[in-house]
Amino acid sequence: TQLLEQSPQFLSIQEGENLTVYCNSSSVFSSLQWYRQEPGEGPVLLVTVVTGGEVKKLKRLTFQFGDARKDSSLHITAAQPGDTGLYLCAGPNDYKLSFGAGTTVTVRA
Amino acid sequence: NAGVTQTPKFRVLKTGQSMTLLCAQDMNHEYMYWYRQDPGMGLRLIHYSVGEGTTAKGEVPDGYNVSRLKKQNFLLGLESAAPSQTSVYFCASTRTGNQPQHFGDGTRLSIL
Repeated sequence: TQLLEQSPQFLSIQEGENLTVYCNSSSVFSSLQWYRQEPGEGPVLLVTVVTGGEVKKLKRLTFQFGDARKDSSLHITAAQPGDTGLYLCAGPNDYKLSFGAGTTVTVRA
Repeated sequence: NAGVTQTPKFRVLKTGQSMTLLCAQDMNHEYMYWYRQDPGMGLRLIHYSVGEGTTAKGEVPDGYNVSRLKKQNFLLGLESAAPSQTSVYFCASTRTGNQPQHFGDGTRLSIL
């Protein structure tokens, strides 16, 4: 059972466009983590959001944590080909992390 | 900085063969994890360890065994490989259970 649902599953956009990826759950999480995975590599942490309503910015990436701490979003402004990858959200679950299935983002030059 | 190192990077097995995947971390992390990643299914936890000498089952443990004899190493074994175990396997580690995990670059395993 996937505790975290990500949408969309795939996203293909032109360089310079904006995009948003969603991560939703019926459960409350104490925090949520976002990772990016490039082909042939393991996931790498982008950010952790901890407080309900929190907004964090990482250059052109903006992360939001929902007020009820059940959902999060990742918004990329003016996407570049270097943003291409698999974006995963993950939430703590006892001593483990529960991962969403991921959103594959392709940015065309 | 090595971080998390997985060996081998690629392997092809025949059905019924056995093999061991090795994960080594140099960050003195207590927690270590083995995942498999299949298209459209994200990362699924196979087994994990909360410290040296401990192991626990994850979401998809059947057909796999693990050992954590040394704090820095976490081994994943397939006793009798099956085609359904064709996947990319990732190891990860973290200092405490809820903290972000550090991943290796994966082992691509094909079972014919």
